[in-house]
Amino acid sequence: GQSLEQPSEVTAVEGAIVQINCTYQTSGFYGLSWYQQHDGGAPTFLSYNALDGLEETGRFSSFLSRSDSYGYLLLQELQMKDSASYFCAVNTGGFKTIFGAGTRLFVKA
Amino acid sequence: AAGVIQSPRHLIKEKRETATLKCYPIPRHDTVYWYQQGPGQDPQFLISFYEKMQSDKGSIPDRFSAQQFSDYHSELNMSSLELGDSALYFCASSSQGPGGPQHFGDGTRLSIL
Repeated sequence: GQSLEQPSEVTAVEGAIVQINCTYQTSGFYGLSWYQQHDGGAPTFLSYNALDGLEETGRFSSFLSRSDSYGYLLLQELQMKDSASYFCAVNTGGFKTIFGAGTRLFVKA
Repeated sequence: AAGVIQSPRHLIKEKRETATLKCYPIPRHDTVYWYQQGPGQDPQFLISFYEKMQSDKGSIPDRFSAQQFSDYHSELNMSSLELGDSALYFCASSSQGPGGPQHFGDGTRLSIL
């Protein structure tokens, strides 16, 4: 089967740093993406890793270790507006994309 | 900047009826994806099109079909609707190949009574 595991919920305070982990077990792997989704909204692309290492985009960074089938999303200088669900997603071949169940991030004042 | 346009935004149908959802991708995007998202769940990949040809299929029921037209817009046709089909249906488009960023539309909320 195919599975992506990520924590269901994370809580942090404004200004803090939070890391959301994702481990995957898929029949194929061509890259790991991260998406943010606010309640009632559409998923918004955050980052993509096809190769091992760290990708940085502003306050958000994403890391991938293909040998460990593991990645994470790092959010720095948390803001209230970062409260949302975060999904890791794997491209398993062609254009087929599998999403994790999502991590709900709560940012407290 | 132009975004992915989906219509209608909301749709109410009864069991056993049919529905057609439309998607207009970002101009010059060559790939279209369809997803189904139930309440509190992750988006489930249904089907994708690359350059107007079906490229990959996911968990799309046999009652559903989709196509992409010459102007690149796509339609998801759903027949014999069931209560369990109630969900948000998202279309996304991309231009950077497999794994590249997917740009999602605002979705169509389908409710089956």
